[in-house]
Parts: sequence; C-alpha cells; structure tokens
Amino acid sequence: GQQVMQIPQYQHVQEGEDFTTYCNSSTTLSNIQWYKQRPGGHPVFLIQLVKSGEVKKQKRLTFQFGEAKKNSSLHITATQTTDVGTYFCTGRGSTLGRLYFGRGTQLTVWP
Amino acid sequence: DTGVSQDPRHKITKRGQNVTFRCDPISEHNRLYWYRQTLGQGPEFLTYFQNEAQLEKSRLLSDRFSAERPKGSFSTLEIQRTEQGDSAMYLCASSLARGGVSYNEQFFGPGTRLTVL
Repeated sequence: GQQVMQIPQYQHVQEGEDFTTYCNSSTTLSNIQWYKQRPGGHPVFLIQLVKSGEVKKQKRLTFQFGEAKKNSSLHITATQTTDVGTYFCTGRGSTLGRLYFGRGTQLTVWP
Repeated sequence: DTGVSQDPRHKITKRGQNVTFRCDPISEHNRLYWYRQTLGQGPEFLTYFQNEAQLEKSRLLSDRFSAERPKGSFSTLEIQRTEQGDSAMYLCASSLARGGVSYNEQFFGPGTRLTVL
C-alpha cells in the first residue's frame, strides 16, 4: 500500500531558529496536504499543494511540492513557541477520499 | 459551534463490551471520515462516507468494526467485543466534495478517546 514517510520524527529547536520537515511518498501523489496537531488537540488543516513544483507561503511557513510529486517539505522561519506541535503531511494517491498520514514530525520549541 | 463534534469525548470499557461513538459533521459537508490514532502515530484511515454511502473501508478494519451514516448527516462507529488493542483516539473528519473533486481540506473533530481495560 501507499506509504508516506516523514523525517525527522522529532525536532527540538530554540525559539528563533528555523525548522524543516520532509515528506516522501513511495508513489506519485495527486496532491499533498499538511496538518498541524497541537499537544492534546486534533489535526488542523494548514495547506494543500496540487501542482508539480508548487511553492506556497503562509507568513513564516513555506511549503513545497516536489517536481515528481513524490515529496514535499515544510519550512518554518524563526520558530515561535506557538509553533509547537506535530506536523503531518498527508498524501492522496489514486484513491479518492482517504488520506495517508505519516508519523509526523513533533516540534518542540524552547523559549 | 459549527465545527465537527464527537460524542462521547472519553469512553472506558471492559474487554468484550460493545461501544458506539457518534460524529456530527459540519452541516453542509457531504463527506465523513473515521480515523484511529494511537500515541506517537499519525491518524490511520478507517472508513469514509459520501452522503449515506460508505465508499471505502480500510482492510485493516476487522469485522468487529462497523460504521453507518443512515441519513447522510451524523455517523456512528461501533466496535463489538472490544479488545485492549482497540484503545486509541477515534477521530472523525468531514469535508465538502464538489463536482467529483475531493481535493478539499478535512475538518477534524476533537476525537473520542477509548480505553479498553
């Protein structure tokens, strides 16, 4: 079955440092979505990437979709304590509907 | 509150008992999903509905699990003869699919945490 792998699994940074998480799929994805889950909370949608090579920005967050549509990255510039949480990439392959979640990257930000 | 709601938020049961969870999606959303999440893992897909039709079910889902969405609005997830391995957070999500395109964000509910003793 389809697998979405995410690295690193854990990342600890000092507030103000940058952070990047990478997502890789074994198969081509029709689109990729990123979610953030705060400790004790539920996943919250951040963004969706559809086009090959697409780059989208949300304030300090930059999302990229690879040219082959098999990988993606999320980069946070100058992390803040409010960025704490687990970031998940989810891929949707040929099957409509279901999302494949990776294990996520758990980000800890020290003040 | 117009978000996705789930009930109960917590359920403790003894092994072998049946449990049922309810999910109320965002009212205009025609797609509803069930996921299971254990500690340190991402949400694992269980099943999803478009309106009242169950369109996909994970092969990981045993026959003890059944889900319904009888009127295309709320949904229930039932687990029969619960086992300790069923202990997890059960998440419900909904989305709006228009014109056959399902590339839409999913809105998650707060989840039901199940503990099987």
